[in-house]
Amino acid sequence: DTEVTQTPKHLVMGMTNKKSLKCEQHMGHRAMYWYKQKAKKPPELMFVYSYEKLSINESVPSRFSPECPNSSLLNLHLHALQPEDSALYLCASRLTTGNTGELFFGEGSRLTVL
Amino acid sequence: KNQVEQSPQSLIILEGKNCTLQCNYTVSPFSNLRWYKQDTGRGPVSLTIMTFSENTKSNGRYTATLDADTKQSSLHITASQLSDSASYICVVRDLSGSARQLTFGSGTQLTVLP
Repeated sequence: DTEVTQTPKHLVMGMTNKKSLKCEQHMGHRAMYWYKQKAKKPPELMFVYSYEKLSINESVPSRFSPECPNSSLLNLHLHALQPEDSALYLCASRLTTGNTGELFFGEGSRLTVL
Repeated sequence: KNQVEQSPQSLIILEGKNCTLQCNYTVSPFSNLRWYKQDTGRGPVSLTIMTFSENTKSNGRYTATLDADTKQSSLHITASQLSDSASYICVVRDLSGSARQLTFGSGTQLTVLP
């Protein structure tokens, strides 16, 4: 199994809503990532978890709250988002942060904030 | 600051034709370079990885080259197909060991027309 599974694929939410994006992998990877990607732009790193601990937060606003409940799951909790937060949110994983192996991406969650 | 520049920004070709995408980088110290294919609204998928000692690597109709001296890489697509329409992203990894070690290019948007 070389898949990173993200749900939901599409999400529309209002600025006062609370929602969550979910990511799951069963490859035994201990490094998990959240990226944000706007149209026709490269992915931008948001958070990195290493062995279930947050190792990098790229100055992301607190309305985005990551959570890594176990080695296979990664969540991104969303609250009081702004329309400019509309983007494709990509989850990725690799064996460890120091590993040179492939970064496996999920198919993304397309978020629209109204 | 590490940078990855890709050219052209966009490319339109006819089905069956060949094309070459370029990637120039200033990442140091260099570890490896990957080419990813990203279909619209989907996550990137790795096509090939190039390490310092490798000059050429093929994956089906995709052939990547690397010149570590000039810090340039290319991705050549042979006998293009409609399904090749996608964004092709060059990602360079440094040896810092940091989880921020990946630098993404802005991608080349390839459109293959019938």
